[in-house]
Amino acid sequence: DVKVTQSSRYLVKRTGEKVFLECVQDMDHENMFWYRQDPGLGLRLIYFSYDVKMKEKGDIPEGYSVSREKKERFSLILESASTNQTSMYLCASSLWPRARNTGELFFGEGSRLTVL
Amino acid sequence: GENVEQHPSTLSVQEGDSAVIKCTYSDSASNYFPWYKQELGKGPQLIIDIRSNVGEKKDQRIAVTLNKTAKHFSLHITETQPEDSAVYFCAASKANTGFQKLVFGTGTRLLVSP
Repeated sequence: DVKVTQSSRYLVKRTGEKVFLECVQDMDHENMFWYRQDPGLGLRLIYFSYDVKMKEKGDIPEGYSVSREKKERFSLILESASTNQTSMYLCASSLWPRARNTGELFFGEGSRLTVL
Repeated sequence: GENVEQHPSTLSVQEGDSAVIKCTYSDSASNYFPWYKQELGKGPQLIIDIRSNVGEKKDQRIAVTLNKTAKHFSLHITETQPEDSAVYFCAASKANTGFQKLVFGTGTRLLVSP
């Protein structure tokens, strides 16, 4: 089974702190994603990465950065956390392009971040 | 860019009834439409998907229909069971871009009462 592991399930941080959210996948997937989930807004793409050291902005990248130094690990960074970044953060990976017929995303269980 | 609208936001049914969730999309170039189920405390999981060259797809009690002309697609769950209770998300993207820009709907919370 594909496993996407998010290291922290719950975090509480102060405004202005630097926050790291870590994600590891064990299936050698090329693509990795960070989504933000908020009630009534669904899942919104923050950033994705299609290869090591490669990244592309999603729909809401402001206030975030990412790092992918190794294929299996994709980190989301909040340089200076703000209260409006309180949310559930979901990491995902996908088999494309190795499996060209599927766009299935494999999600982690999420990291709930509260910024006070 | 693509915009996906999903209705209803909440849906309550009795066990054994059918449930229907509807989505509309804005970009006529979108050609891949997956549905994800998110159980409490877990990440979303793909339950079924459809390409634009197919009008309907079934998998046991779950079916998805697509109307390209009207740009809407629907999830149908028959003979609902309590374990179907979850949040369901529709999504749309273009398969030829590697599915990387998957745009999700706002979610439907389905509650199946015994």
